[in-house]
Amino acid sequence: NAGVTQTPKFQVLKTGQSMTLQCAQDMNHEYMSWYRQDPGMGLRLIHYSVGAGITDQGEVPNGYNVSRSTTEDFPLRLLSAAPSQTSVYFCASSYNNMAQYFGPGTRLLVL
Amino acid sequence: SQQGEEDPQALSIQEGENATMNCSYKTSINNLQWYRQNSGRGLVHLILIRSNEREKHSGRLRVTLDTSKKSSSLLITASRAADTASYFCATDDLFSGGYNKLIFGAGTRLAVHP
Repeated sequence: NAGVTQTPKFQVLKTGQSMTLQCAQDMNHEYMSWYRQDPGMGLRLIHYSVGAGITDQGEVPNGYNVSRSTTEDFPLRLLSAAPSQTSVYFCASSYNNMAQYFGPGTRLLVL
Repeated sequence: SQQGEEDPQALSIQEGENATMNCSYKTSINNLQWYRQNSGRGLVHLILIRSNEREKHSGRLRVTLDTSKKSSSLLITASRAADTASYFCATDDLFSGGYNKLIFGAGTRLAVHP
């Protein structure tokens, strides 16, 4: 199993550009989530999903959209990138709504 | 808002020594988890302790939970250079409903020197 995969590994955007961060898991997990990690801080929940077709907001959802059309994929869309969205983004999945399996992360720099 | 707060922020020890990290949280929880993050990598789940448990072991890891003090500790015994990483506690909310929203602390950076 590849586990949780994320693409791209690194991305540079200009303010106002949009992009999609991809996340996929091959463990048939129902629960998936997106976090951002900023220097000196823990992870903060952006959006999450409890199954295909079901998504909800986390702690810091503004400026981000998600969808969950399949169990495997959970893309995160930045609608209009801002410098405040410079961060490392982690996708995670969970089988039993307990321990989470994290992807390797996407480093995003918004200029 | 951060629920879990780790202490100390940074810890430097020699190989073979024990490392103890503490986590405090604010609200009632269902369970508390500890994760490890190596530099530039994603987080790896280490151990989960439920609110009705007081102590749990996994290999060289020992976790305690004191719900009356809203605190937990992670002990790594006989540390190795490979244990060098950041360690995060994560708590959920007892009343979070159908999804176990985790709230992470800022982490403890552990450096183990050969």
